[in-house]
Amino acid sequence: GIQVEQSPPDLILQEGANSTLRCNFSDSVNNLQWFHQNPWGQLINLFYIPSGTKQNGRLSATTVATERYSLLYISSSQTTDSGVYFCAVSLKLVFGKGTKLTVNP
Amino acid sequence: GAGVSQSPSNKVTEKGKDVELRCDPISGHTALYWYRQSLGQGLEFLIYFQGNSAPDKSGLPSDRFSAERTGGSVSTLTIQRTQQEDSAVYLCASSYDLFVLSTDTQYFGPGTRLTVL
Repeated sequence: GIQVEQSPPDLILQEGANSTLRCNFSDSVNNLQWFHQNPWGQLINLFYIPSGTKQNGRLSATTVATERYSLLYISSSQTTDSGVYFCAVSLKLVFGKGTKLTVNP
Repeated sequence: GAGVSQSPSNKVTEKGKDVELRCDPISGHTALYWYRQSLGQGLEFLIYFQGNSAPDKSGLPSDRFSAERTGGSVSTLTIQRTQQEDSAVYLCASSYDLFVLSTDTQYFGPGTRLTVL
């Protein structure tokens, strides 16, 4: 089946810093989502982005489907951005292992 | 409702007992999905429904697991004769229409944390 790899596995930032999270996938996809899992375990939709670029406030995402990767950009990070970020692909979502982000004040 | 709801939020049971987990999808969403999240396995797909039909049950880990959906809305995931390895957070998601790819965003509920003693 399709494989999803996320990097880095862990990321520690100071408040205000920018970061880039990466998601590589092993086969062509027509569905890709980025999620933020908050400390209470809730999975929150960030982007539905099988291709192209989208922006929402301080967050943006780019998927290059032909090269099988997606990037999530977080600018001016805040402590509330802490949590685990997941990339998931295909209709029956296959998740990566996530990037655990810690933003320190 | 405004979002996907799941009940109970927490369930503690003894090994060998049966449990039922409930999911209420977003109103109007025809597709419903079950996943589970455990420390060892990460997030894994279990089953999905399009309407009341479950065309793909390939993710169910054993025949002790079953799910149904009635009226195109509420779904129940049943685990019979629970084992300790069933301990996990069970997550439900819904989407507008499985086959309308442009609106296939899945929205997740808060999950049910199952602990099998």
